[in-house]
Amino acid sequence: DAKTTQPPSMDCAEGRAANLPCNHSTISGNEYVYWYRQIHSQGPQYIIHGLKNNETNEMASLIITEDRKSSTLILPHATLRDTAVYYCIVDFPPIQGAQKLVFGQGTRLTINP
Amino acid sequence: NAGVTQTPKFRVLKTGQSMTLLCAQDMNHEYMYWYRQDPGMGLRLIHYSVGEGTTAKGEVPDGYNVSRLKKQNFLLGLESAAPSQTSVYFCASSYWVEAFFGQGTRLTVV
Repeated sequence: DAKTTQPPSMDCAEGRAANLPCNHSTISGNEYVYWYRQIHSQGPQYIIHGLKNNETNEMASLIITEDRKSSTLILPHATLRDTAVYYCIVDFPPIQGAQKLVFGQGTRLTINP
Repeated sequence: NAGVTQTPKFRVLKTGQSMTLLCAQDMNHEYMYWYRQDPGMGLRLIHYSVGEGTTAKGEVPDGYNVSRLKKQNFLLGLESAAPSQTSVYFCASSYWVEAFFGQGTRLTVV
């Protein structure tokens, strides 16, 4: 079973920041938070990951609460190409053992012109 | 580098037929995964492998078998296909954090 809860859908205006929430109240100390997205019917694409601290890369920012029970993925300036299903996953990194990458239902993000 | 390559991309099977889906990666990754995705649903893990010669069951393993005889290849077999196995199948591989996915195999069982 997926260990995360996400809203099924969200809308955002083009050019605005898209904030996607994820609840993971049962996360354990060594588990990371991963975000992937799936554009149309393509294979999922890695976006970002984090353990405790906030993270930023060229695609997005990840904000993890201090108690690590929830997180938010931020797309700072959403474009139409960001329309996709976004998956929040909690799992161990492969190097610590079996990483299963169990996907839930995700959030369908629609960027509107 | 090709990344993760799935073969074939499309296939139509008759009920009861068997087939093997091939996943090949050229990144020397230890971990490989097979998922299925039904319309409007998220990905569900079928089987996975943590290294050459090892496999493990995921969320929905029934009706499928897998083998990882070579590190770069992960095979998914359907011994007796059923209409319920109509789906899009994705393979992935990973080493540290980022998992790389193939483009999928669209399988229809009639």
